Amino acid sequence: EADIYQTPRYLVIGTGKKITLECSQTMGHDKMYWYQQDPGMELHLIHYSYGVNSTEKGDLSSESTVSRIRTEHFPLTLESARPSHTSQYLCASSVSVSTDTQYFGPGTRLTVL
Amino acid sequence: QKEVEQNSGPLSVPEGAIASLNCTYSDRVSQSFFWYRQYSGKSPELIMSIYSNGDKEDGRFTAQLNKASQYVSLLIRDSQPSDSATYLCAVTQPGGYNKLIFGAGTRLAVHP
Repeated sequence: EADIYQTPRYLVIGTGKKITLECSQTMGHDKMYWYQQDPGMELHLIHYSYGVNSTEKGDLSSESTVSRIRTEHFPLTLESARPSHTSQYLCASSVSVSTDTQYFGPGTRLTVL
Repeated sequence: QKEVEQNSGPLSVPEGAIASLNCTYSDRVSQSFFWYRQYSGKSPELIMSIYSNGDKEDGRFTAQLNKASQYVSLLIRDSQPSDSATYLCAVTQPGGYNKLIFGAGTRLAVHP
Protein backbone atom coordinates (compact mmCIF):
# COMPACT_ATOMS: atom_id res chain seq x y z
CA GLU A 1 0.00 0.00 0.00
CA ALA A 2 1.31 3.43 -0.94
CA ASP A 3 1.45 6.47 1.26
CA ILE A 4 0.47 9.34 -0.97
CA TYR A 5 -0.43 12.81 0.19
CA GLN A 6 -2.20 15.75 -1.36
CA THR A 7 -2.49 19.32 -0.15
CA PRO A 8 -4.60 21.27 0.18
CA ARG A 9 -7.59 18.97 0.59
CA TYR A 10 -10.01 21.80 -0.19
CA LEU A 11 -9.34 25.07 -1.97
CA VAL A 12 -11.72 27.91 -2.80
CA ILE A 13 -10.11 30.61 -4.88
CA GLY A 14 -11.02 33.51 -7.14
CA THR A 15 -10.75 33.65 -10.90
CA GLY A 16 -7.34 34.55 -12.26
CA LYS A 17 -5.30 33.29 -9.29
CA LYS A 18 -2.31 31.02 -9.75
CA ILE A 19 -2.57 27.79 -7.78
CA THR A 20 -0.37 24.77 -7.15
CA LEU A 21 -1.76 21.46 -5.98
CA GLU A 22 0.80 19.38 -4.15
CA CYS A 23 1.23 15.61 -4.38
CA SER A 24 3.89 13.57 -2.60
CA GLN A 25 4.48 9.87 -2.12
CA THR A 26 6.90 8.11 0.21
CA MET A 27 7.13 4.72 -1.49
CA GLY A 28 9.70 5.58 -4.14
CA HIS A 29 7.22 4.89 -6.94
CA ASP A 30 8.57 5.99 -10.30
CA LYS A 31 5.24 6.59 -12.01
CA MET A 32 2.82 9.31 -10.93
CA TYR A 33 -0.49 10.50 -12.35
CA TRP A 34 -2.99 13.34 -12.08
CA TYR A 35 -6.68 12.71 -12.70
CA GLN A 36 -9.61 15.08 -12.85
CA GLN A 37 -13.04 13.95 -11.72
CA ASP A 38 -16.29 15.90 -11.70
CA PRO A 39 -19.03 14.73 -9.27
CA GLY A 40 -20.60 11.48 -10.42
CA MET A 41 -18.40 11.33 -13.48
CA GLU A 42 -15.45 9.30 -14.71
CA LEU A 43 -11.83 9.84 -13.81
CA HIS A 44 -9.88 11.41 -16.64
CA LEU A 45 -6.10 11.28 -16.84
CA ILE A 46 -4.67 14.78 -17.36
CA HIS A 47 -0.93 14.26 -16.71
CA TYR A 48 1.50 11.47 -15.98
CA SER A 49 5.18 11.00 -15.31
CA TYR A 50 7.48 8.00 -15.70
CA GLY A 51 10.21 9.43 -13.55
CA VAL A 52 12.26 12.51 -12.75
CA ASN A 53 12.19 15.10 -15.56
CA SER A 54 9.61 13.03 -17.48
CA THR A 55 6.06 14.38 -17.89
CA GLU A 56 3.36 13.73 -20.47
CA LYS A 57 -0.12 15.02 -21.12
CA GLY A 58 -2.96 12.62 -20.51
CA ASP A 59 -6.08 11.77 -22.43
CA LEU A 60 -8.07 14.82 -21.30
CA SER A 61 -6.79 18.19 -22.42
CA SER A 62 -5.97 20.40 -19.46
CA GLU A 63 -4.67 23.94 -19.05
CA SER A 64 -2.66 22.82 -16.05
CA THR A 65 1.06 22.01 -16.05
CA VAL A 66 3.12 19.61 -13.97
CA SER A 67 6.74 19.10 -13.02
CA ARG A 68 8.76 16.18 -11.65
CA ILE A 69 12.02 17.37 -10.20
CA ARG A 70 12.09 14.81 -7.40
CA THR A 71 10.81 11.23 -7.46
CA GLU A 72 8.47 11.76 -4.54
CA HIS A 73 6.93 15.06 -5.64
CA PHE A 74 4.54 15.78 -8.56
CA PRO A 75 2.90 19.21 -8.25
CA LEU A 76 0.18 20.50 -10.59
CA THR A 77 -0.08 24.20 -11.40
CA LEU A 78 -2.83 26.35 -12.87
CA GLU A 79 -1.44 29.73 -13.93
CA SER A 80 -4.84 31.44 -14.03
CA ALA A 81 -7.74 29.62 -12.42
CA ARG A 82 -11.19 29.79 -14.00
CA PRO A 83 -14.60 28.50 -12.86
CA SER A 84 -14.31 25.74 -15.50
CA HIS A 85 -11.38 24.35 -13.48
CA THR A 86 -13.70 23.57 -10.57
CA SER A 87 -13.34 19.82 -9.99
CA GLN A 88 -11.71 17.16 -7.84
CA TYR A 89 -8.05 16.51 -8.64
CA LEU A 90 -6.67 13.09 -7.73
CA CYS A 91 -3.02 12.12 -7.64
CA ALA A 92 -1.88 8.50 -7.95
CA SER A 93 1.36 6.57 -8.10
CA SER A 94 2.56 3.15 -9.17
CA VAL A 95 5.79 1.20 -9.40
CA SER A 96 7.23 -0.29 -12.57
CA VAL A 97 6.54 -3.93 -11.97
CA SER A 98 4.01 -6.18 -13.63
CA THR A 99 1.20 -5.42 -11.21
CA ASP A 100 0.54 -1.91 -12.63
CA THR A 101 -1.46 -1.07 -9.53
CA GLN A 102 -2.13 2.62 -8.98
CA TYR A 103 -2.69 3.97 -5.49
CA PHE A 104 -4.56 7.21 -4.98
CA GLY A 105 -4.10 10.14 -2.66
CA PRO A 106 -7.08 11.68 -0.84
CA GLY A 107 -7.69 14.30 -3.55
CA THR A 108 -8.01 18.08 -3.71
CA ARG A 109 -11.43 19.57 -4.22
CA LEU A 110 -10.95 22.85 -6.08
CA THR A 111 -13.64 25.51 -6.39
CA VAL A 112 -12.95 28.57 -8.51
CA LEU A 113 -15.37 31.44 -7.99
CA GLN B 1 -18.55 2.83 -27.78
CA LYS B 2 -16.72 3.62 -24.55
CA GLU B 3 -13.48 1.76 -23.93
CA VAL B 4 -14.63 0.56 -20.50
CA GLU B 5 -18.35 0.20 -19.93
CA GLN B 6 -20.25 -0.28 -16.71
CA ASN B 7 -23.91 -0.09 -15.82
CA SER B 8 -24.27 3.12 -13.85
CA GLY B 9 -26.89 1.66 -11.51
CA PRO B 10 -27.91 2.14 -8.85
CA LEU B 11 -27.71 -1.55 -8.09
CA SER B 12 -29.80 -2.11 -4.99
CA VAL B 13 -29.33 -5.31 -2.96
CA PRO B 14 -30.50 -6.33 0.52
CA GLU B 15 -28.00 -6.79 3.30
CA GLY B 16 -26.48 -10.28 3.19
CA ALA B 17 -27.11 -10.79 -0.52
CA ILE B 18 -24.56 -11.20 -3.30
CA ALA B 19 -23.90 -8.08 -5.36
CA SER B 20 -22.73 -8.66 -8.92
CA LEU B 21 -20.99 -5.85 -10.76
CA ASN B 22 -20.07 -6.12 -14.42
CA CYS B 23 -17.63 -4.43 -16.76
CA THR B 24 -16.80 -4.83 -20.45
CA TYR B 25 -13.77 -3.43 -22.23
CA SER B 26 -13.03 -2.84 -25.87
CA ASP B 27 -9.27 -3.41 -26.29
CA ARG B 28 -8.33 -7.08 -26.57
CA VAL B 29 -4.68 -6.46 -25.69
CA SER B 30 -5.42 -5.10 -22.21
CA GLN B 31 -3.56 -7.19 -19.64
CA SER B 32 -4.43 -5.89 -16.19
CA PHE B 33 -7.81 -5.28 -14.63
CA PHE B 34 -8.74 -3.56 -11.41
CA TRP B 35 -11.75 -2.87 -9.25
CA TYR B 36 -11.72 0.26 -7.12
CA ARG B 37 -14.29 1.34 -4.55
CA GLN B 38 -15.07 5.04 -4.23
CA TYR B 39 -17.20 6.49 -1.47
CA SER B 40 -18.91 9.78 -2.21
CA GLY B 41 -16.44 12.64 -2.06
CA LYS B 42 -13.47 10.32 -1.44
CA SER B 43 -10.68 8.96 -3.60
CA PRO B 44 -10.70 5.49 -5.21
CA GLU B 45 -9.50 2.60 -3.05
CA LEU B 46 -8.19 -0.61 -4.63
CA ILE B 47 -10.38 -3.64 -3.98
CA MET B 48 -9.06 -6.28 -6.37
CA SER B 49 -6.70 -6.78 -9.26
CA ILE B 50 -6.84 -9.65 -11.74
CA TYR B 51 -4.54 -10.55 -14.60
CA SER B 52 -5.49 -14.02 -15.87
CA ASN B 53 -8.71 -15.72 -16.87
CA GLY B 54 -10.77 -17.23 -14.11
CA ASP B 55 -11.68 -16.27 -10.58
CA LYS B 56 -9.68 -14.54 -7.87
CA GLU B 57 -11.03 -14.45 -4.34
CA ASP B 58 -10.14 -12.11 -1.48
CA GLY B 59 -12.39 -12.34 1.54
CA ARG B 60 -15.94 -11.43 0.53
CA PHE B 61 -14.81 -10.25 -2.91
CA THR B 62 -14.36 -12.36 -6.03
CA ALA B 63 -13.13 -10.97 -9.33
CA GLN B 64 -13.83 -12.89 -12.52
CA LEU B 65 -12.06 -12.33 -15.83
CA ASN B 66 -12.95 -13.65 -19.28
CA LYS B 67 -10.56 -12.19 -21.84
CA ALA B 68 -12.24 -13.95 -24.78
CA SER B 69 -15.50 -12.16 -23.96
CA GLN B 70 -13.67 -9.00 -22.80
CA TYR B 71 -15.57 -9.11 -19.57
CA VAL B 72 -14.62 -8.65 -15.95
CA SER B 73 -16.90 -8.83 -12.94
CA LEU B 74 -16.84 -8.34 -9.19
CA LEU B 75 -18.95 -10.36 -6.79
CA ILE B 76 -19.48 -9.15 -3.24
CA ARG B 77 -20.80 -11.84 -0.92
CA ASP B 78 -22.70 -11.09 2.29
CA SER B 79 -23.16 -7.46 1.23
CA GLN B 80 -23.10 -4.92 4.05
CA PRO B 81 -24.45 -1.36 4.16
CA SER B 82 -20.81 -0.23 4.38
CA ASP B 83 -20.30 -1.66 0.88
CA SER B 84 -22.59 1.06 -0.49
CA ALA B 85 -20.31 3.03 -2.82
CA THR B 86 -19.43 3.46 -6.47
CA TYR B 87 -17.32 0.64 -7.91
CA LEU B 88 -14.93 1.58 -10.69
CA CYS B 89 -13.60 -0.87 -13.22
CA ALA B 90 -10.16 0.03 -14.63
CA VAL B 91 -8.21 -1.54 -17.48
CA THR B 92 -4.62 -0.95 -18.54
CA GLN B 93 -4.17 0.96 -21.76
CA PRO B 94 -2.11 -0.76 -24.44
CA GLY B 95 1.37 0.58 -24.86
CA GLY B 96 2.51 0.14 -21.30
CA TYR B 97 3.36 2.94 -18.89
CA ASN B 98 0.77 1.63 -16.41
CA LYS B 99 -1.90 3.98 -17.76
CA LEU B 100 -5.43 3.02 -16.78
CA ILE B 101 -8.78 3.62 -18.44
CA PHE B 102 -11.62 3.90 -15.95
CA GLY B 103 -15.26 3.12 -16.43
CA ALA B 104 -17.86 5.56 -15.16
CA GLY B 105 -18.62 3.28 -12.22
CA THR B 106 -21.60 1.38 -10.85
CA ARG B 107 -23.32 2.77 -7.79
CA LEU B 108 -24.14 0.03 -5.28
CA ALA B 109 -26.71 0.53 -2.54
CA VAL B 110 -26.99 -2.13 0.17
CA HIS B 111 -30.14 -1.70 2.23
CA PRO B 112 -30.73 -3.22 5.69
